Amino acid sequence: EAGVAQSPRYKIIEKRQSVAFWCNPISGHATLYWYQQILGQGPKLLIQFQNNGVVDDSQLPKDRFSAERLKGVDSTLKIQPAKLEDSAVYLCASTLTIGDTQYFGPGTRLTVL
Amino acid sequence: AQSVTQLGSHVSVSEGALVLLRCNYSSSVPPYLFWYVQYPNQGLQLLLKYTTGATLVKGINGFEAEFKKSETSFHLTKPSAHMSDAAEYFCAVSDGKNYGGSQGNLIFGKGTKLSVKP
Repeated sequence: EAGVAQSPRYKIIEKRQSVAFWCNPISGHATLYWYQQILGQGPKLLIQFQNNGVVDDSQLPKDRFSAERLKGVDSTLKIQPAKLEDSAVYLCASTLTIGDTQYFGPGTRLTVL
Repeated sequence: AQSVTQLGSHVSVSEGALVLLRCNYSSSVPPYLFWYVQYPNQGLQLLLKYTTGATLVKGINGFEAEFKKSETSFHLTKPSAHMSDAAEYFCAVSDGKNYGGSQGNLIFGKGTKLSVKP
């Protein structure tokens, strides 16, 4: 069974630029999560989707971050414009349904200069 | 509000020695508790979880953890460390939100990096 796929693995941008990350969850998994992991900290949930609907985006900085999961499968997370403090690893995870064990992708490491 | 505190950002043990990684939690509802491991440049992998029932939980790779309600703790142990155990370990608690009776979302601690010396 293929795992959660993410791309790119690494991204370096300058502040005020835009960036997008892509996630392909495990086949058949209805629930998808985006986390932000800042160096030295644990992952923090940014947004949770159930199929193509948002369940929880209470910690998403909506002035600069956006995410979508239009067909209930793949998802993209966008930052526009990026700030220095957005430097982090962005992790995607999926579950068969809400409450199941979360399976994590390898993450995208973003560096904002 | 739910929260997790992991004592010690770095722990170093010798190969074959006992591994003990500490986790204390705060939760306003009966907690679901988890330990995840993260190897360099990889995502998180579930080691074990406690939901209800037996308080001693066995996980993968020889790890186990014991839920102690009176101490609000969920420490992770392994009797004998192996070089391959070197990684970062995260304790997490469910956020208590009820999604149709499920465990809710995860709140992670800051992590403990485990080093294993030969």
